[in-house]
Amino acid sequence: ILNVEQSPQSLHVQEGDSTNFTCSFPSSNFYALHWYRWETAKSPEALFVMTLNGDEKKKGRISATLNTKEGYSYLYIKGSQPEDSATYLCAFIDGGSQGNLIFGKGTKLSVKP
Amino acid sequence: KAGVTQTPRYLIKTRGQQVTLSCSPISGHRSVSWYQQTPGQGLQFLFEYFSETQRNKGNFPGRFSGRQFSNSRSEMNVSTLELGDSALYLCASSSGASASSYEQYFGPGTRLTVT
Repeated sequence: ILNVEQSPQSLHVQEGDSTNFTCSFPSSNFYALHWYRWETAKSPEALFVMTLNGDEKKKGRISATLNTKEGYSYLYIKGSQPEDSATYLCAFIDGGSQGNLIFGKGTKLSVKP
Repeated sequence: KAGVTQTPRYLIKTRGQQVTLSCSPISGHRSVSWYQQTPGQGLQFLFEYFSETQRNKGNFPGRFSGRQFSNSRSEMNVSTLELGDSALYLCASSSGASASSYEQYFGPGTRLTVT
């Protein structure tokens, strides 16, 4: 059974702080990694789709890096704002079952004004 | 462009019944995936359809089935409902041939309660 771990489970930061969290996945047979942001009472929103080792992607104040050899991805938020409060999910796809996304349990971020 | 729509939004069924949920993808999207969200298990992949063909299936019993129509709309069916099937069911569409390589756009979900 493939396991995707996210840490920390939850995080409380002050407005303006920069923060990061981790997604760990099996390092063999990597195909792709997705990051999603899920605000309460809304639908998950795609942030990044990452496919290459060493990938770095950025969207506004949010960026992500990927290390497929060691099996981890970092998500960074620079200068957190209250509207960044959400659960951030990563989803791993292995090469043997392309299309079967395996989600981590998420990191719940709360940003206090 | 209209987003992904799901109907119904809320549903209450009793054990043993069956249920059909519907998903209309973003116009032009041909890939549709279904997910189940429960507090204990988190978000789990059910199946993916592209051009009316099931491409991938998650680790769910055969009571869970789906189909996709020629207009890319998709339905999922759960037969012989169990209490544990109570969950939020999310549908997502993507512009590519595979949900793996392309951003997915999620619908609002159908909240199913089984009593």
